[in-house]
Amino acid sequence: DQQVKQNSPSLSVQEGRISILNCDYTNSMFDYFLWYKKYPAEGPTFLISISSIKDKNEDGRFTVFLNKSAKHLSLHIVPSQPGDSAVYFCAAETSGSRLTFGEGTQLTVNP
Amino acid sequence: SAVISQKPSRDICQRGTSLTIQCQVDSQVTMMFWYRQQPGQSLTLIATANQGSEATYESGFVIDKFPISRPNLTFSTLTVSNMSPEDSSIYLCSVEDRGKGNYGYTFGSGTRLTVV
Repeated sequence: DQQVKQNSPSLSVQEGRISILNCDYTNSMFDYFLWYKKYPAEGPTFLISISSIKDKNEDGRFTVFLNKSAKHLSLHIVPSQPGDSAVYFCAAETSGSRLTFGEGTQLTVNP
Repeated sequence: SAVISQKPSRDICQRGTSLTIQCQVDSQVTMMFWYRQQPGQSLTLIATANQGSEATYESGFVIDKFPISRPNLTFSTLTVSNMSPEDSSIYLCSVEDRGKGNYGYTFGSGTRLTVV
């Protein structure tokens, strides 16, 4: 039972354009959502998070949007840079539970 | 934020042997988490390790296969026992990191295990 799904295994974007990474979840009890970036041979690095009481959180070039009714969140990166090329994982948790991760999306930003 | 030193970074092991992975954190943390990332899949939680008590294992993972030690608040080990090729994965440790502006987790750099 995959409670957190990232349906796009890969995404390719031109430098300077917007990257939009999507994530869907099925467990309505999830109340906190996080995005991680992972480079090869490194552990995941925390990027940005959002509480279920919000619908948007912004940090520099990164913005996360949450649509609770649709059980959908997205990560927007603008402008995209070649250094953003990595695997992006969304993750979700409920109070007292542990992180549940999506399968990841490989983002490639082309110069 | 917390800094985690994880080793080894990679290893190639013979089936039937065991490998112990170590994680050292630069600050005291209550809980440490061990994850597995099988090829092409998401990160799956193996167990949560609290200092001074038995680790709590997730469904599908057992102590005999993945014994965990947590001797103090800055260190933990995960052993992958009696390995088979199906154990070939990346293994990661993680801690809650409340030092950031956003509530998140910090991960070690991972151990890439290949069982032959």
